[in-house]
Amino acid sequence: QVQLVESGGGVVQPGRSLRVSCVASGFSFTTHAMHWVRQAPGKGLEWVAFVSYDGSETYFADSVRGRFTISRDNSRNTLFLQMNSLRAEDTALYYCAKGVYHYDSLTAYDQWGQGTQVTVSS
Amino acid sequence: ENVLTQSPGTLSLSPGERVTLSCRASQSIRSNFFAWYQHKPGLAPRLLIHGASGRATGIPDRFSGSGSGTDFTLTISRLEPEDFAVYYCQQYFSSPPTFGPGTKLEIK
Repeated sequence: QVQLVESGGGVVQPGRSLRVSCVASGFSFTTHAMHWVRQAPGKGLEWVAFVSYDGSETYFADSVRGRFTISRDNSRNTLFLQMNSLRAEDTALYYCAKGVYHYDSLTAYDQWGQGTQVTVSS
Repeated sequence: ENVLTQSPGTLSLSPGERVTLSCRASQSIRSNFFAWYQHKPGLAPRLLIHGASGRATGIPDRFSGSGSGTDFTLTISRLEPEDFAVYYCQQYFSSPPTFGPGTKLEIK
């Protein structure tokens, strides 16, 4: 069955960096675009970033553009989110998600991980 | 961006009841690029409906979606104890994809 397992979250000071990862299994990772979605404490879901199946295209929410980078290593079935210049408002549970549509940046998400918690605090 | 509004914010109901959740978009959503999710604390969100009315794999037929344009609904025909959760709507017609703030379904 499909599994998405995030890791790498933690507590980090404002202005610092953190990289979270997501290991995928149970489907053809190399032919699927992937996404990061986050949920801040007490808030709803917010789409964060998209990467195409081959890593050639990336898109970001306005709130993180210029600070976050999304990438993937298809040889290791792993998705990454590099977060730089972190702010208190980036505190959230970060989910990786697989889209219903293999290639599209605009899609519903049919598989999600359990999430990894990122807390930005001094 | 297309802002989604869900109503009501919280609903208190009993198992066995029928419920309809609403989601309204600030801009029209063409091609029914619209989804509903169920989210329970500590678990991953679960896709219920996509394409506005298509049930995702493994979703019971007591869940149904409908709507078009700016108004969409999720109906649960007969609430089971496991259905009490937060429900989010999502549009994926225009970028960025956006979610509603959620409706919490709680046991009365």
